[in-house]
Amino acid sequence: GAVVSQHPSRVICKSGTSVKIECRSLDFQATTMFWYRQFPKQSLMLMATSNEGSKATYEQGVEKDKFLINHASLTLSTLTVTSAHPEDSSFYICSARSGSHNEQFFGPGTRLTVL
Amino acid sequence: DAKTTQPPSMDCAEGRAANLPCNHSTISGNEYVYWYRQIHSQGPQYIIHGLKNNETNEMASLIITEDRKSSTLILPHATLRDTAVYYCIVRVADGAQKLVFGQGTRLTINP
Repeated sequence: GAVVSQHPSRVICKSGTSVKIECRSLDFQATTMFWYRQFPKQSLMLMATSNEGSKATYEQGVEKDKFLINHASLTLSTLTVTSAHPEDSSFYICSARSGSHNEQFFGPGTRLTVL
Repeated sequence: DAKTTQPPSMDCAEGRAANLPCNHSTISGNEYVYWYRQIHSQGPQYIIHGLKNNETNEMASLIITEDRKSSTLILPHATLRDTAVYYCIVRVADGAQKLVFGQGTRLTINP
């Protein structure tokens, strides 16, 4: 299957700082990328969908000004958590889909801890 | 909301077949059944998908009932590394469509 990477794998930051998470498709061009959030013992919740070169579409209840998504190239999408607070601590997972695949391939996830 | 229902947890002995059921009684004619699994603290892994015919790959088999209202994922010879949360998702076969994850089934393989 296609490979998707995320960086960093884990990050600890102070409250009020901003954190950027990168999602890369390593061996295919991702026309669409998705960002999910997962709290402990819960399922994945979709945050937003981004298509290369256009603005992301956010799910209901997700603040677009707090969770900034950039999908500037076909192999890279970034999620920036602005002014992070302890309640933003979570496992953030991206997935990517190429134009030739009907499956989504998931990254390994990024664990964010806000102190 | 997820359109599938799965048992919250199951146990299976190592080396035996693990059969994971999924109900999707409101599935539409153009929706596929997808299975993913998530091992602890990792991203989900695609397993298999199907429309109406049974499917098999190197990981698992997918049995879909004739009325398509339910399906079963079969891991033929479960190993300890198959311990994970298994998600059954219905979706049209367009990768641009979002995946809606339910609570899944937490499968524990016991030695």
